[in-house]
Amino acid sequence: GAVVSQHPSWVICKSGTSVKIECRSLDFQATTMFWYRQFPKQSLMLMATSNEGSKATYEQGVEKDKFLINHASLTLSTLTVTSAHPEDSSFYICSASQSRGMDTQYFGPGTRLTVL
Amino acid sequence: TQLLEQSPQFLSIQEGENLTVYCNSSSVFSSLQWYRQEPGEGPVLLVTVVTGGEVKKLKRLTFQFGDARKDSSLHITAAQPGDTGLYLCAGYGAGSYQLTFGKGTKLSVIP
Repeated sequence: GAVVSQHPSWVICKSGTSVKIECRSLDFQATTMFWYRQFPKQSLMLMATSNEGSKATYEQGVEKDKFLINHASLTLSTLTVTSAHPEDSSFYICSASQSRGMDTQYFGPGTRLTVL
Repeated sequence: TQLLEQSPQFLSIQEGENLTVYCNSSSVFSSLQWYRQEPGEGPVLLVTVVTGGEVKKLKRLTFQFGDARKDSSLHITAAQPGDTGLYLCAGYGAGSYQLTFGKGTKLSVIP
């Protein structure tokens, strides 16, 4: 149980284009979903927290107009990287939990984004 | 800011050896989780510890939460090549809904 999927698993795009990444909880309802990014040989850095039906809360330094997050249902959240640039290349990982509190987070397999 | 310091950062050992990885903080954490991450994949939850002094075992892995809930350790007995990976500790600070991650310990077990 508690499986989270991400799609796509990897994507290569040209600079200036937008990329959408999907995060799905497959066997549970995710009240809260989180988006992280991880640079090579570094740990996970939280980008934003989204609760179903409300606007995402972004961490300091994360541009909300560049990283659009939608959490329209209890099983799906999307992250859209708008006007991507090479510095946005990273490993993006989502996680999901069943409550808004300090609940266990289940992580997706990640999406490798490469911007040329 | 609640920080989690993991040590060692890198660890390379022979198959069959024992090892311990540490996760320390000056802050109190209401719960602490250990994850294992392989290259190109997301972290996989190994265990959650909640009570100070708690010890949990998962086959050859033993997890301990410090009495003051400021530190934790992961001990692996008779390590195997399949244990190779990045081990991350993460915790919820008191009153925080944000999961704070340590930088991880990269373990390599050589056959």
